[in-house]
Amino acid sequence: DAGVIQSPRHEVTEMGQEVTLRCKPISGHNSLFWYRQTMMRGLELLIYFNNNVPIDDSGMPEDRFSAKMPNASFSTLKIQPSEPRDSAVYFCASSLAGGGSQPQHFGDGTRLSIL
Amino acid sequence: TQLLEQSPQFLSIQEGENLTVYCNSSSVFSSLQWYRQEPGEGPVLLVTVVTGGEVKKLKRLTFQFGDARKDSSLHITAAQPGDTGLYLCAGAVGGTSYGKLTFGQGTILTVHP
Repeated sequence: DAGVIQSPRHEVTEMGQEVTLRCKPISGHNSLFWYRQTMMRGLELLIYFNNNVPIDDSGMPEDRFSAKMPNASFSTLKIQPSEPRDSAVYFCASSLAGGGSQPQHFGDGTRLSIL
Repeated sequence: TQLLEQSPQFLSIQEGENLTVYCNSSSVFSSLQWYRQEPGEGPVLLVTVVTGGEVKKLKRLTFQFGDARKDSSLHITAAQPGDTGLYLCAGAVGGTSYGKLTFGQGTILTVHP
């Protein structure tokens, strides 16, 4: 079975450039989560969707960050303009929402480096 | 805001030793999950505990959920180098949370041969 698929795996770009991260959740999962992971701050929830609708974006650090989920099989996280402090590993996860005991299935992440 | 505090943050031990990782909160969770993450990969679920006082075993790993459902522990017996990784606990509040989890900061475990 295909898991959560993220692309690209690695992205290196110069500050000021637009960065778009992509995620394909597991088919049938109705919740999708975007996280950022750094050594200093651990795993931070940025935004999550349920049935393609954004539920809580309070973790999005600044207006430079935006996320969309145009359909059940695709989501993007965009940073414009990017800054060096955005360098981190960004994870997408999906789950079957309900009851709170469903596991989240993570992709392998996008390692982002902003020079 | 619900917070989960994990301790210790770092653990470096020799093969064959036992260890315990703790996950504590002042909030009640409907369930608690433990994940393990290896370098270059996303976290992978190890176990979910749901009932207060519940104990689950996964080979050499023993997971316990506190009676009040505010804390949990992970005990590894006779650690092996293959146990090396980042261990994360995550709490769920249930209800209309849409599957949202609150993650602890993680415990980096290194098991030396």
